[in-house]
Amino acid sequence: EVQLLESGGGLVQPGGSLRLSCGASGFAFSTYAMIWVRQAPGKGLEWVSLISRSGGGTWYADVAKGRFSVSRDNSNNTLHLRMDSLRAEDTAIYYCVKCRGSGSHSAYFFDYWGQGTLVTVSS
Amino acid sequence: QSVLTQPPSASGTPGQRVTVSCSGSSSNIGSNPVNWYQQLPGTAPRLLIYSSDQRPSGVPDRFSGSKSGTSASLAIFGLLSEDEADYYCAAWDDSLNGYVFGPGTKVTVL
Repeated sequence: EVQLLESGGGLVQPGGSLRLSCGASGFAFSTYAMIWVRQAPGKGLEWVSLISRSGGGTWYADVAKGRFSVSRDNSNNTLHLRMDSLRAEDTAIYYCVKCRGSGSHSAYFFDYWGQGTLVTVSS
Repeated sequence: QSVLTQPPSASGTPGQRVTVSCSGSSSNIGSNPVNWYQQLPGTAPRLLIYSSDQRPSGVPDRFSGSKSGTSASLAIFGLLSEDEADYYCAAWDDSLNGYVFGPGTKVTVL
């Protein structure tokens, strides 16, 4: 059974930093790209970042560029998201999501989602 | 402001057919597959339709997806009370070099 378990969320002050982690199990983690998706309270879904299977390729939404950094540890089946210079508008549930699909990442779809971890940016 | 457009709401009575539209452009839906996600209240989203018209195992055949040009649609046949949820379309956008989600459509069973 595929499981994705996020951790690291919490309350942080504006301008602060946080590192989210996602432990993966039930599938060959190193053979799948992964993404982070967030959802602000009462709002829709927003893609944050994509990382390739090896970790050598990363892509970011404009809201994350220069502030967020995605990485993965394939030896420990773990995905990370380092978030710096946090703003109130970064307050959201952050989901760790497994990608699936053949060929280019433009054809990926997201077949398994974690339960999410809540990040609250407030003074 | 999302680059994909969805109606904010849709509704139907049990047993009816409900359709949710998703409109985009040549840089997203027009050139890449569309996927649909269902989010039940208080839960994480789940994959409903992938590659525009494919159903993952476990998704009832009451759900159907289609795509034409720069638009896509999700149809729910034989609406059930358990289908009451938010539905999101998504696709890769070649201009933005990232994934985009529609704003979501809340489906209500009357």
